[in-house]
Amino acid sequence: EAGVVQSPRYKIIEKKQPVAFWCNPISGHNTLYWYLQNLGQGPELLIRYENEEAVDDSQLPKDRFSAERLKGVDSTLKIQPAELGDSAVYLCASSPARGLAGGTQYFGPGTRLTVL
Amino acid sequence: SQQGEEDPQALSIQEGENATMNCSYKTSINNLQWYRQNSGRGLVHLILIRSNEREKHSGRLRVTLDTSKKSSSLLITASRAADTASYFCATDAYGNKLVFGAGTILRVKS
Repeated sequence: EAGVVQSPRYKIIEKKQPVAFWCNPISGHNTLYWYLQNLGQGPELLIRYENEEAVDDSQLPKDRFSAERLKGVDSTLKIQPAELGDSAVYLCASSPARGLAGGTQYFGPGTRLTVL
Repeated sequence: SQQGEEDPQALSIQEGENATMNCSYKTSINNLQWYRQNSGRGLVHLILIRSNEREKHSGRLRVTLDTSKKSSSLLITASRAADTASYFCATDAYGNKLVFGAGTILRVKS
């Protein structure tokens, strides 16, 4: 079974530029998550999707961040414009319908963003 | 904000020794999970313990949960160099949402 796929793995941009991250979850997983992980910290949830619906985006800075999950499969997270403080690792995770895995999430390798 | 707090922040042991990491949290939970993260990689799920369970084993891993103290511990027995990683506890508080701690960095020296 293929795992969660993310691209790109690394991205270096200048501040004020836009950037986008892509995630392909495990086949059949209804729930998709985007996390932000700063150096030396644990991941923090940005947004959670149930199929194509964003059910928890309370931690997403909506002035510059946006996300979409068209057709309830792949997802894209965008930052526009990027700021220096956005430098971090962006993790995507997915999970099957609640009850099937008890809440276990499966993580992709992440995208390391550096904003210069 | 992060609910869980791991202790210690960093741990260095010799290969073959046991490693114990602790996690404290603040609110009632449905379950608590432990994840491992190798340098530069995503997180890998290790073990899940439900709120009505007190102890769980998986291979060389042993997890305990004390809901009265809002704490959990992860024991890795007979550690190997390949166990070198960061270990995170994550709490699921009935919202299908995981809240992670800051992690414990484990270094196993061969």
